[in-house]
Amino acid sequence: DQQVKQNSPSLSVQEGRISILNCDYTNSMFDYFLWYKKYPAEGPTFLISISSIKDKNEDGRFTVFLNKSAKHLSLHIVPSQPGDSAVYFCAYTSGSRLTFGEGTQLTVNP
Amino acid sequence: DGGITQSPKYLFRKEGQNVTLSCEQNLNHDAMYWYRQDPGQGLRLIYYSQIVNDFQKGDIAEGYSVSREKKESFPLTVTSAQKNPTAFYLCASSMGFVGNQPQHFGDGTRLSIL
Repeated sequence: DQQVKQNSPSLSVQEGRISILNCDYTNSMFDYFLWYKKYPAEGPTFLISISSIKDKNEDGRFTVFLNKSAKHLSLHIVPSQPGDSAVYFCAYTSGSRLTFGEGTQLTVNP
Repeated sequence: DGGITQSPKYLFRKEGQNVTLSCEQNLNHDAMYWYRQDPGQGLRLIYYSQIVNDFQKGDIAEGYSVSREKKESFPLTVTSAQKNPTAFYLCASSMGFVGNQPQHFGDGTRLSIL
């Protein structure tokens, strides 16, 4: 039973435009959602998180939105840069566990 | 430079053989984790440890074993009981075991069966 789903395996965006990465979840008992970025042959790196009691968190070009009624999370990257091309994973924490989505490959074209 | 070191980067296993993947961290983190990644899938938790000499099974622990004799080290053994061991293995650590402590990952070990 996949509790975190990233329904788009891939996304292609033009440099300078907005990238929107989406994540849906089924379990409402979570503490935080986190976004990780992963380049090939490397481990994921932490990008940004959001608490379950908030609906928005912003850090530079990255903003995460949480819609609890829709059980939907999104990551906005503005403006997108070619160096943002990577696989993005959303994950949530519930107690002592971290559960990941399948990932979305973002390609930012120059 | 603080970080997590996984070795080797690539590992080949013969059928029926046990292999051990190394994970060392110098971040002074209490918690450590092992994940497995298969193509098109997210990371799945194999084992985790909150403190030295203690560890818990994750979602896919069958065919794996771990030890946590030192704070810095959390080796993973892939035993012959693991029928489909070919995957990318990632080790992670975090300061604590609460939700907002991001996990820091190593660069992974790719295990293949000969």
